[in-house]
Amino acid sequence: EDQVTQSPEALRLQEGESSSLNCSYTVSGLRGLFWYRQDPGKGPEFLFTLYSAGEEKEKERLKATLTKKESFLHITAPKPEDSATYLCAVWGGGSYIPTFGRGTSLIVHP
Amino acid sequence: KAGVTQTPRYLIKTRGQQVTLSCSPISGHRSVSWYQQTPGQGLQFLFEYFSETQRNKGNFPGRFSGRQFSNSRSEMNVSTLELGDSALYLCASSPGLAGALYNEQFFGPGTRLTVL
Repeated sequence: EDQVTQSPEALRLQEGESSSLNCSYTVSGLRGLFWYRQDPGKGPEFLFTLYSAGEEKEKERLKATLTKKESFLHITAPKPEDSATYLCAVWGGGSYIPTFGRGTSLIVHP
Repeated sequence: KAGVTQTPRYLIKTRGQQVTLSCSPISGHRSVSWYQQTPGQGLQFLFEYFSETQRNKGNFPGRFSGRQFSNSRSEMNVSTLELGDSALYLCASSPGLAGALYNEQFFGPGTRLTVL
């Protein structure tokens, strides 16, 4: 059974204070790892897909990296508008449906 | 390209009633998945439809059912509502192609269901 664990559960940062969110996973034959951002009361917004260890992707202040056991979402010089819950999901071989982690709630204070 | 749309956005029902939620996927996407999201359980997979057939199913009771139409639009039905069914119900669409690399799921805004 595919499993995804995200840490920390909650993170408070000051504006400009860089940090990383972790997504550890166990999956049989990783086909893709997804990162989403979710604002309160809204659906998750797709951010990145990573397919193989060593892959990196960037978007504005966000950078996602992938190893064989975990993924990191690095947030550089965050702003208050980066406050949201960040969800990680993995898609394993033999399944058409991703398995989601519980998310990391990020609050960035001005 | 229009995103995933869900209707209604908000619903208030009482215990014992039934409810039907609707989802229109992104044009060209053939897979529609439904999720229940609660503060205590996070995102839980309900079921997935592809080309009008239920392809995957999560661990929810039979009170939860769904269907997909030929235009890929999908509906989800919950019968005999219970207080614990109060949640944000999310619909996600994806190309749904087996073996494809690009099977990211794109979510709709959700339907907030409150059961009193």
